Amino acid sequence: GAGVSQSPSNKVTEKGKDVELRCDPISGHTALYWYRQRLGQGLEFLIYFQGNSAPDKSGLPSDRFSAERTGESVSTLTIQRTQQEDSAVYLCASSFYLGTSEAFFGQGTRLTVV
Amino acid sequence: EDKVVQSPLSLVVHEGDTVTLNCSYEVTNFRSLLWYKQEKKAPTFLFMLTSSGIEKKSGRLSSILDKKELSSILNITATQTGDSAIYLCAVGAGGGTSYGKLTFGQGTILTVHP
Repeated sequence: GAGVSQSPSNKVTEKGKDVELRCDPISGHTALYWYRQRLGQGLEFLIYFQGNSAPDKSGLPSDRFSAERTGESVSTLTIQRTQQEDSAVYLCASSFYLGTSEAFFGQGTRLTVV
Repeated sequence: EDKVVQSPLSLVVHEGDTVTLNCSYEVTNFRSLLWYKQEKKAPTFLFMLTSSGIEKKSGRLSSILDKKELSSILNITATQTGDSAIYLCAVGAGGGTSYGKLTFGQGTILTVHP
């Protein structure tokens, strides 16, 4: 596609429910990244993919968070048993090469846990 | 732990002024420094600076990387109200499983008044 596409753009969920966030990277981009941005704060690294492999999962906040990627295409970030502190904007980015080319961001998913 | 610090945290100027935003970093195995502009949700890519490209310019915006001082500046000349945004600095560093991780600073909030 022309840009990184994320869905949904907004999600309100009840505490304890599971949510799934989707990211469609730019076509041909091998690397895909997930970040979280809490209100008024900077971007917090969650996980990246090189192809469908995620070598570094240390940024995931807890075992309630998981992510997967199908080939060099769509990625989903799943949060199980959501908590209020999970409320944030979740941003996805992709780049042509891992670590050596510019990363382009999607519009993000604003998650609100009530 | 990699660290990226931006200053000032916020800046208020009038249209036509020139501003300089600062980014300093302490990382292992530096590879690249990126500047982004964030207006609503999605950060928009501005520049990427590396050892082989330490100065970039686009219109009224320019950026320089000082590898000796471990810092970068983003200059905006003849500011316009449309330049009002959060400006984010990110550094790509590390090897192994950390290769794909970008570490972001907390951002500089720029407000340009008419």
